[in-house]
Amino acid sequence: ETGVTQSPTHLIKTRGQQVTLRCSSQSGHNTVSWYQQALGQGPQFIFQYYREEENGRGNFPPRFSGLQFPNYSSELNVNALELDDSALYLCATLGGQGEMKAFFGQGTRLTVV
Amino acid sequence: ILNVEQSPQSLHVQEGDSTNFTCSFPSSNFYALHWYRWETAKSPEALFVMTLNGDEKKKGRISATLNTKEGYSYLYIKGSQPEDSATYLCALDSGAGSYQLTFGKGTKLSVIP
Repeated sequence: ETGVTQSPTHLIKTRGQQVTLRCSSQSGHNTVSWYQQALGQGPQFIFQYYREEENGRGNFPPRFSGLQFPNYSSELNVNALELDDSALYLCATLGGQGEMKAFFGQGTRLTVV
Repeated sequence: ILNVEQSPQSLHVQEGDSTNFTCSFPSSNFYALHWYRWETAKSPEALFVMTLNGDEKKKGRISATLNTKEGYSYLYIKGSQPEDSATYLCALDSGAGSYQLTFGKGTKLSVIP
């Protein structure tokens, strides 16, 4: 049990639509990263937020955007969905006593049809 | 674009066998190397974070070594048990502890009772 919860667990969207995925983490975990795992690939870094500001971005277009809130929850928004956006989306928060660790949620499986 | 490679892609071992797999990464882009265990329908779980050349870490029957000069890490499992069945991911942190990770595709381990 990592204490990181993602919602929804699954959803299906139509090409061109917009989607919002949510992640809530443990209190005090003020860094959150989002990853996309396409079929047969390892997770790919989308972006990271620290204290509600974007703190780094991977090779993803601007239609992928995010928000982080003071209550340690965050959102990943994807506009103008494409078929290739179908993937598992993971969020990971940083925390730990002593050695920092990344705590992952179970992911949201997005299917774009 | 950083390339983190893992081998083998998958393997099957008998209960009680020991096994190991490899993660290779560009040695010039190294800050830390992470190992995760990802069981089906669960969240990826952090096993080790390794930073120093020659580092060796152990957690129960699982251990890992790191060679930053040649750019590889080995994960060893001694006396495999069915509960060790999972995908093992390694990830490179090349950004001074940013935890903006570049993952390999993983090694899927199946332990046959």
